[in-house]
Amino acid sequence: AQTVTQSQPEMSVQEAETVTLSCTYDTSESDYYLFWYKQPPSRQMILVIRQEAYKQQNATENRFSVNFQKAAKSFSLKISDSQLGDAAMYFCAQYGNKLVFGAGTILRVKS
Amino acid sequence: GAGVSQSPRYKVAKRGQDVALRCDPISGHVSLFWYQQALGQGPEFLTYFQNEAQLDKSGLPSDRFFAERPEGSVSTLKIQRTQQEDSAVYLCASSLVLGFASGGESTDTQYFGPGTRLTVL
Repeated sequence: AQTVTQSQPEMSVQEAETVTLSCTYDTSESDYYLFWYKQPPSRQMILVIRQEAYKQQNATENRFSVNFQKAAKSFSLKISDSQLGDAAMYFCAQYGNKLVFGAGTILRVKS
Repeated sequence: GAGVSQSPRYKVAKRGQDVALRCDPISGHVSLFWYQQALGQGPEFLTYFQNEAQLDKSGLPSDRFFAERPEGSVSTLKIQRTQQEDSAVYLCASSLVLGFASGGESTDTQYFGPGTRLTVL
């Protein structure tokens, strides 16, 4: 069975600083994908970043990067130079034969 | 281009009523997914279509839930005899290619609609 665990229900970061959101997962699939999605209060789920498990290089998208540790089944998201618009619920998700989400982390950005 | 759209955005139903929720995927997207998101939780998989074929309905919580995609584009999620525990946000997502990662097949990102918030009184 696939499981995704986000151990931080809520995080805060000062504007312009860096924050890391944690995610661990468990799966019996050998090939899979990992995602971070952002869900602002408007509710539209937006893709932040994706990582193919067979790639060793960590994915980056502008201010967003991941630290993918396959052996440890860990997939954390680092947000650099945090902006007010980054405030949202962040979901980690793993795709083997279906997309399984964690419970989410609320990120608050302080000005 | 247009993203995934869902209607209605909000639906209030009395317990026992039937409801129908609509999803318009991104044009040309083969795969379509339905999720249920309870308040403060992550979305949970309900069902998956590839074109008009429903390939996985393992997440549907009961036989009161039924989904269809008769022409391989628009999909409808129907809930019969609604119960209070059905209150949730129902999310639809679509993707361009087959959504399986194993067996060497490629997968693509799922793009989500804004959801329908269902409240059962």
